[in-house]
Amino acid sequence: NAGVTQTPKFQVLKTGQSMTLQCAQDMNHEYMSWYRQDPGMGLRLIHYSVGAGITDQGEVPNGYNVSRSTTEDFPLRLLSAAPSQTSVYFCASRLGGTPTDTQYFGPGTRLTVL
Amino acid sequence: QQPVQSPQAVILREGEDAVINCSSSKALYSVHWYRQKHGEAPVFLMILLKGGEQKGHDKISASFNEKKQQSSLYLTASQLSYSGTYFCGTEYTSGTYKYIFGTGTRLKVLA
Repeated sequence: NAGVTQTPKFQVLKTGQSMTLQCAQDMNHEYMSWYRQDPGMGLRLIHYSVGAGITDQGEVPNGYNVSRSTTEDFPLRLLSAAPSQTSVYFCASRLGGTPTDTQYFGPGTRLTVL
Repeated sequence: QQPVQSPQAVILREGEDAVINCSSSKALYSVHWYRQKHGEAPVFLMILLKGGEQKGHDKISASFNEKKQQSSLYLTASQLSYSGTYFCGTEYTSGTYKYIFGTGTRLKVLA
C-alpha cells in the first residue's frame, strides 16, 4: 500500500493563478480531509468528506473547492491564489465508521504564492 | 474553537517525564494525539473517546477527563526520538470527522 499520496510536493504560484492539489489513498478509506499548516501553527481543517459525493466545510474553507467523485481521490482546488494561502497542505484519510480508526496523513504539499 | 495546549514548549533530558495538556471550552466526543517532526507529516499516536478511559502506547499514555473537557498525554522515561511537536485533535460531535487541532506543544529531549 502506498498509503496517502499527495502531488506536487512543492509549488510556486503567482497571485490570481489557480491550481489543483492532488490527494489519493489506496486503503479504501471513506473519510478524507484537507488541512493547512502555517509556520509555527497547528493544523486547520479546510474541507472534509465522509464518502464519495459527500463533502463539507471545515474551519477555513474560503478560497478552496473540493469534490469527491471516487473513494480514492480528493483533490483541493485553489480558485484564485492569494499570498495568504502560502502554507503547507496536508491530506489525511481514515477508514471511517469506527470512532477509533487511525487517521493517516500524506507527506504534504508546500505552496508559495507570490 | 481551537483547544488550548499547555505547555507551549518543554525541554527534557533523556529519561525524564512530561505531561502535555489539551483543554477545550466545549464538550468533547473524542481526542486524537499526534506527533510531528520538523518537515514531516503528523503521525497518529492514539485516540480516546469520552468516558475517561486511559490508553497506553509503549511509554506514552493518555487520559480523557470528560467533565474537565481535557485530555492529557503522558510521556515517561523520554527518549531522543520523542522530540517533536505534539498536537491534540478534538472532535466535538460523534461521527462528523470534523477535527479541530490544538495549538501544539514543542518537546525537545536532550541527551
